[in-house]
Amino acid sequence: AQSVTQPDIHITVSEGASLELRCNYSYGATPYLFWYVQSPGQGLQLLLKYFSGDTLVQGIKGFEAEFKRSQSSFNLRKPSVHWSDAAEYFCAVVEGNAGNMLTFGGGTRLMVKP
Amino acid sequence: DGGITQSPKYLFRKEGQNVTLSCEQNLNHDAMYWYRQDPGQGLRLIYYSQIVNDFQKGDIAEGYSVSREKKESFPLTVTSAQKNPTAFYLCASSIASGGSGYTFGSGTRLTVV
Repeated sequence: AQSVTQPDIHITVSEGASLELRCNYSYGATPYLFWYVQSPGQGLQLLLKYFSGDTLVQGIKGFEAEFKRSQSSFNLRKPSVHWSDAAEYFCAVVEGNAGNMLTFGGGTRLMVKP
Repeated sequence: DGGITQSPKYLFRKEGQNVTLSCEQNLNHDAMYWYRQDPGQGLRLIYYSQIVNDFQKGDIAEGYSVSREKKESFPLTVTSAQKNPTAFYLCASSIASGGSGYTFGSGTRLTVV
């Protein structure tokens, strides 16, 4: 069965520090990969997506993610975290050319210390 | 601007009453989805619809019903059979295929008292 794992339920970083949120998936074919961010009481906003090509993708708000096929991972990174980045982050996957149904990870809640 | 609108943002209902949550999109998307979100539980799929006049149960459809009479609209009814309806409900839409990802609404928080 298809699955997406975000191993870290909660992460706390200091403002200005670097950030990496982990995402691992289990799929047989080439996946399409997404990262979404959710502020409290809000809907989900797309940060970035990977379909093909360059495995390092840039997104909004200074985020980037790297697709590593050998590790079945799509980790989200930011070099310097701002207090406004505190939110919940969801990784999602759909199997390429197999429709549009996303499978979501369980989410990682990011807290930022001043 | 195109987008997806959920209304109302907050909804209070007495136990035993049915309540309908609205979801409208003007993105010309074929597919629409309803998710429930509880603290610490991530997103759980309630119902989805890939085309007008057709919809499928998701992982937690019991106690919910939907309709898809128009492409733009996908209302969700929380019935009295839903044992624990207090939650945050998210609607989303997407194109029919190609892995474009979803566009989400801003959510409705339902509180049953």
